[in-house]
Amino acid sequence: QKEVEQNSGPLSVPEGAIASLNCTYSDRGSQSFFWYRQYSGKSPELIMSIYSNGDKEDGRFTAQLNKASQYVSLLIRDSQPSDSATYLCAVTDSGYALNFGKGTSLLVTP
Amino acid sequence: DAGVTQSPTHLIKTRGQHVTLRCSPISGHKSVSWYQQVLGQGPQFIFQYYEKEERGRGNFPDRFSARQFPNYSSELNVNALLLGDSALYLCASSLSAVNTEAFFGQGTRLTVV
Repeated sequence: QKEVEQNSGPLSVPEGAIASLNCTYSDRGSQSFFWYRQYSGKSPELIMSIYSNGDKEDGRFTAQLNKASQYVSLLIRDSQPSDSATYLCAVTDSGYALNFGKGTSLLVTP
Repeated sequence: DAGVTQSPTHLIKTRGQHVTLRCSPISGHKSVSWYQQVLGQGPQFIFQYYEKEERGRGNFPDRFSARQFPNYSSELNVNALLLGDSALYLCASSLSAVNTEAFFGQGTRLTVV
């Protein structure tokens, strides 16, 4: 069974702070890693993809991947109340299916 | 550019009935995948179709079936509906079959009563 684990939260951070979201996965053959944001009642929205070890930055978002330790993280700088949502980590091996964690709920307080 | 479109957005069905959900991928995308998301959980993979062929199937009963049409749109069919089939059904579109970014439609909220 391929597991993707996330702390369910809620993770509460003040406005302007850095939010750090973490995800671990069990399948060492995993090759592609994604972060989705999902607002309540809406569908998941892709915000970051990462395929190789290291950091990938896109605006206020940074994804970090460490395949040896089997974890991937998402940093959100200058957090805004509009960032309050559930963040889903998704992982694939060489196959076709996205394997999702249960998501971490983030609350950014003004 | 139009994103992934799903229809209908909401649906209420009775136990034992059949339902068909529809999805149109992003223009140029040849892969469509279906996911089921129940409250408090991450989406669960149901099917993937690429170039009109089934490329993968998740751990769902045979009551679930799907197909992809020549224009790459797709249908998900569920027979003999159970209360437990109540969920958000998501369609994801991607350029190719593996290891590429997937973009979700707005989903179909199915309620079985």
